Amino acid sequence: AQSVTQLDSQVPVFEEAPVELRCNYSSSVSVYLFWYVQYPNQGLQLLLKYLSGSTLVKGINGFEAEFNKSQTSFHLRKPSVHISDTAEYFCAVSASGAGSYQLTFGKGTKLSVIP
Amino acid sequence: DTEVTQTPKHLVMGMTNKKSLKCEQHMGHRAMYWYKQKAKKPPELMFVYSYEKLSINESVPSRFSPECPNSSLLNLHLHALQPEDSALYLCASSQAQGTAGYTFGSGTRLTVV
Repeated sequence: AQSVTQLDSQVPVFEEAPVELRCNYSSSVSVYLFWYVQYPNQGLQLLLKYLSGSTLVKGINGFEAEFNKSQTSFHLRKPSVHISDTAEYFCAVSASGAGSYQLTFGKGTKLSVIP
Repeated sequence: DTEVTQTPKHLVMGMTNKKSLKCEQHMGHRAMYWYKQKAKKPPELMFVYSYEKLSINESVPSRFSPECPNSSLLNLHLHALQPEDSALYLCASSQAQGTAGYTFGSGTRLTVV
């Protein structure tokens, strides 16, 4: 089984400042890793994913994340945030083998961008 | 078409009502999912369909009944719900079990009165 820990439940940051949202995972098998964003009263939108290969993954809206296998981390970063980035962010993991249906989510981090 | 479409967007139902949530995708995805999300919580998996067959039921009460009429459609039939079932119900799809890239719909906001 896999588990995900998002270390911060809330992250306030001023507009145009950099931000890092932290995610650690636990798994006994190889995994795929994801970051999703959820705006108020909406579904989840995929920001980026790590499947294999380069450990630095670039996503939409200027976000990127780095997979660190030794630290079992997949932190999300953006160099300069905008008001429109205010949302809930979920880190998620799934096992990479066949028959692995389940996407396990962290508890989420609420990013609040302050004007 | 790269979307998962859910209808209705909002639903208010009484505890004795019968209603259905609908989900549709035309991306050729062969795995479809129902998730339940309570306020300020992550989504929780309810059901997984793979190639139109139910492959996972996460011990969901029988008042929730999923149905997959074909590879593009997924329904969730609701009957005799309780107020605590009020939540955002999300549908998702993916290319196949175990592969990456779940696409989520925008959800149905369900209120049970």
